[in-house]
Amino acid sequence: QITLKESGPTLVKPTQTLTVTCTFSGFSVSVSGVGVGWLRQPPGKAPEWLALVYWDDEKRFSPTLNSRLTITKYTSKNQVVLTMTDMDPMDTGTYYCAHYRGLHFDYWGPGIWVTVSS
Amino acid sequence: QSVLTQPPSASGTPGQTVTISCSGSNSNFGTTYVYWYQQLPGTAPKLLIYRDNQRPSGVPDRFSGSKSGTSASLAISGLRSEDEADYYCAAWDDRLSVNWVFGGGTRLTVL
Repeated sequence: QITLKESGPTLVKPTQTLTVTCTFSGFSVSVSGVGVGWLRQPPGKAPEWLALVYWDDEKRFSPTLNSRLTITKYTSKNQVVLTMTDMDPMDTGTYYCAHYRGLHFDYWGPGIWVTVSS
Repeated sequence: QSVLTQPPSASGTPGQTVTISCSGSNSNFGTTYVYWYQQLPGTAPKLLIYRDNQRPSGVPDRFSGSKSGTSASLAISGLRSEDEADYYCAAWDDRLSVNWVFGGGTRLTVL
């Protein structure tokens, strides 16, 4: 059974860096074809993809947020960490991590709400 | 403005069939598959349809997907009250660089 769970701060100040961790079970990110991605959803809006790390450590980022994002996998710990720099109130929303296989995200974590405010 | 275009709302009565459309372009639907997600209030999106028309295990066959050219649709037959949710289409897009994009979402109301 694949499960994922996000953890991290629920409140960050503008200009600070957000670091969120995805801890998962039921799969290994070292298996060919597997990846873990991060997505976010502002209140009342559609989800937005942020980043994806593949089993071979190839990484892909949203073209609009590329310069602010870092994604790192810790295979032995079953964790994937996302950092987003220079946070702004417009970055407020729910941040999700998701299992990726077969060209899509199939299993999602419950999400973590992050507020950006001074 | 979303790369994929969906109607903001749809509605139907119990037992009816409702169809939700999603319009794309050659940079997404023209080259890859479409996916559909259901998001119940206060929960994470759930995969409903993958690779245009495939259902994950556990998804009722009341849900079906189709794609033709740069348009896709999700059909829900035998509508139930528990189908009231937001529905999003999604796909890979390579217009600028590789990018996973979502439609703006359709809020389905069961009257």
